[in-house]
Amino acid sequence: EAGVAQSPRYKIIEKRQSVAFWCNPISGHATLYWYQQILGQGPKLLIQFQNNGVVDDSQLPKDRFSAERLKGVDSTLKIQPAKLEDSAVYLCASSFGTRGSQYFGPGTRLLVL
Amino acid sequence: AQTVTQSQPEMSVQEAETVTLSCTYDTSESDYYLFWYKQPPSRQMILVIRQEAYKQQNATENRFSVNFQKAAKSFSLKISDSQLGDAAMYFCAYRGFQYNQGGKLIFGQGTELSVKP
Repeated sequence: EAGVAQSPRYKIIEKRQSVAFWCNPISGHATLYWYQQILGQGPKLLIQFQNNGVVDDSQLPKDRFSAERLKGVDSTLKIQPAKLEDSAVYLCASSFGTRGSQYFGPGTRLLVL
Repeated sequence: AQTVTQSQPEMSVQEAETVTLSCTYDTSESDYYLFWYKQPPSRQMILVIRQEAYKQQNATENRFSVNFQKAAKSFSLKISDSQLGDAAMYFCAYRGFQYNQGGKLIFGQGTELSVKP
């Protein structure tokens, strides 16, 4: 069974530029999560989808971050414009349902200069 | 709000020995899930073990076991017969049981485990 796929693996941009991350969850997993992991800290949830609907985006900085999950499968997370403090690893995870165990992708490491 | 605390930033163990990683949490809920995840350097987060709070029996997965003390709100991970491949950052995580809370994981700060040959 294929795991959670993410791309790109690494991205370097300058502040005020925009960037987008892509995630493909495990087949059949209706729930998809985006977490932000700042160096030296545990991951923090940014947004959770159930199929193509948003369940929780309370910690998403909506003035600069946006996410979508069209057709309830793949998801894209966008940052526009990026700030220095956005430098982090962005992890995508999926689960069969909201009570299922979450399985993580390899992450996208973002560096904002 | 729920919180998870890992008070050991770093731990070290000799190969083949046993090590215990500590985790405490704070919640007012009676039903919830607890997890331990392993994150090797530059590699993805891997689920190690899961515990449902309503189960009294401690979860076990091969060399990994937990000591779940619900009253004390403690959830430690024991790794037996440590191997070089166990070296990683270990995260303790909490998830609420109620559907209206979604399924987000609340993570601790992590414990970096090194294994000495």
